[in-house]
Amino acid sequence: GAVVSQHPSWVICKSGTSVKIECRSLDFQATTMFWYRQFPKQSLMLMATSNEGSKATYEQGVEKDKFLINHASLTLSTLTVTSAHPEDSSFYICSARSILAGEVYEQYFGPGTRLTVT
Amino acid sequence: GQNIDQPTEMTATEGAIVQINCTYQTSGFNGLFWYQQHAGEAPTFLSYNVLDGLEEKGRFSSFLSRSKGYSYLLLKELQMKDSASYLCAVMDSNYQLIWGAGTKLIIKP
Repeated sequence: GAVVSQHPSWVICKSGTSVKIECRSLDFQATTMFWYRQFPKQSLMLMATSNEGSKATYEQGVEKDKFLINHASLTLSTLTVTSAHPEDSSFYICSARSILAGEVYEQYFGPGTRLTVT
Repeated sequence: GQNIDQPTEMTATEGAIVQINCTYQTSGFNGLFWYQQHAGEAPTFLSYNVLDGLEEKGRFSSFLSRSKGYSYLLLKELQMKDSASYLCAVMDSNYQLIWGAGTKLIIKP
């Protein structure tokens, strides 16, 4: 099956610094990637959708200047949390979808990145 | 608006059967997914239904009724490792996944 990786798997940073999370599709080309955030005991919250080569579409309430998303290639998307605050501490999960592969109906999830801001 | 409803928490006994229900109201329908998520981990795909009926995959089965906006996930021969959250998600007309809040399943010996 399709594999999506995320790096790092966990990160601790100081308040005010920026953190970059990478999401890679290892064995397929991801035309669309999704970034989710999940707080403890809550469901997934979609933050943004990004298509390769174009600007990300952010969900209502998500600050695009704080959560910078880049999808420069068909196998890599990055999420940068700028000027991180303790309330940004969460579990960030990316997923990838490939229409080229014909499997338009399934999203493949990365293992997630646990961010702790101190 | 779009809405996915599923119970918050369920408890079952090891070896038994449990059914987790999901009802939905969405803008269009391109399939319904069930995912399993263990604490601290990303969701893993369990099943996909786009036509009415029952899809069986080992100990897990998923049912869909599009006219009723209803699905269930049936887990048989429950094992302790099945303790997890089960997420129902519907793909809408824009091929976006609309997520339910998840059902936390607790398995007791």
